[in-house]
Parts: sequence; C-alpha cells; structure tokens
Amino acid sequence: AQRVTQPEKLLSVFKGAPVELKCNYSYSGSPELFWYVQYSRQRLQLLLRHISRESIKGFTADLNKGETSFHLKKPFAQEEDSAMYYCALLDSSYKLIFGSGTRLLVRP
Amino acid sequence: DVKVTQSSRYLVKRTGEKVFLECVQDMDHENMFWYRQDPGLGLRLIYFSYDVKMKEKGDIPEGYSVSREKKERFSLILESASTNQTSMYLCASSFPGVGQPQHFGDGTRLSIL
Repeated sequence: AQRVTQPEKLLSVFKGAPVELKCNYSYSGSPELFWYVQYSRQRLQLLLRHISRESIKGFTADLNKGETSFHLKKPFAQEEDSAMYYCALLDSSYKLIFGSGTRLLVRP
Repeated sequence: DVKVTQSSRYLVKRTGEKVFLECVQDMDHENMFWYRQDPGLGLRLIYFSYDVKMKEKGDIPEGYSVSREKKERFSLILESASTNQTSMYLCASSFPGVGQPQHFGDGTRLSIL
C-alpha cells in the first residue's frame, strides 16, 4: 500500500538548534516526494521537491531509498520556521498522498 | 503568481442542508483537487478532476460530489451535510505531469451544526 508516515505530531526546538522532521514512505516504484508547509493563517505551499535537489529557506531533504525516508533538515532553526509541515508522495495515478503532518515550534 | 480562490473562508450550515464550496484557479491548470484537512489526519483527498467534466473519486468521496463544468472552476457539493463533515476544506490545482506542484487555496472552514 502507498503510505506516508510522519511519526512526530509536534517537534519543539530552540532557535539556532538543528531540526529534522521525519518522513517515511511506502511505495513500490520510484517515488516522487514533496514537502509542503503551512504557516499560521496562510495557505499550504510547496517547500521543496526531491527531484529539484534544492535548498529552500535553508531546508534540505534527501531521498534515502534504502530506508524509504525523506527527512527534512535545517542546521539552524529560526522562529519564522514555526509552521505545520506535510510530507507528500505522488502516487501512480499522479495524486498526492499526504502524511499526517508535524507541527514545528521554534522557541526563542 | 498562481491564484486559487475559494469562495468562502468560513461557512456555517445545518445538518441536512445541501452545501456548495466553490474553487476557481487562474492558471489554466488541467488538474483540480478537493481535500479535507483534519488534525492528526493530515490532508485526505475527496475528489479530483483531470479535465472539464471529468471527475475521479479520491480516498473519502462518501457524502460528497463534485462538478467541473469549466476548466477554471471546481465545485464540491455536500448533498446532505452531516456533523462529521465539519472540517477545513482545501482546493488545489496543478498542471499535469510528474513533479508538477499543487497550488492551494486559503481553505474553507465549514461547520455543520
């Protein structure tokens, strides 16, 4: 079955600390993975996608096929990073399957 | 910049009412989607459409229907609203193809009393 798992509902860190939001997936083919972010009172928006191999707002995510993971990382968290983060997998019908989300809280 | 507009930010309706949620996008996207967003469950796909007059069921279509008469507009219909349909509803659109990101509206927070 195709599935995305985000094991942490809430992740709380202090400003300047490293951040890693976990995402594991279950997919039989070659996965297409995304991270979406929703800041308070704003719409859900794309943060990054693995095919672009890009760094957005200091965040990176590496696809690890062996561990079926796509964890989101940032070396030094900022208060403005506080938001809800969703990992998503594009399925074989080109629909997105979302994880349950992780709320990141960056404390001053 | 892509604009996906949902007609209402907040909506309160009564059990048994027929409810219409409207979504319009201005980027000529072929694909349009309706999700509901619930705490601890993430986003779940209700229905989607790859083209005008086409619709496909998502993961939780029961109690919902959709209409896509024009490319830019995708309507979600609750035939007879129930309290368990109280939720945040998100509309999204995208171009077809691998790697194309979905662009989301602001959402409609629907309360069924």
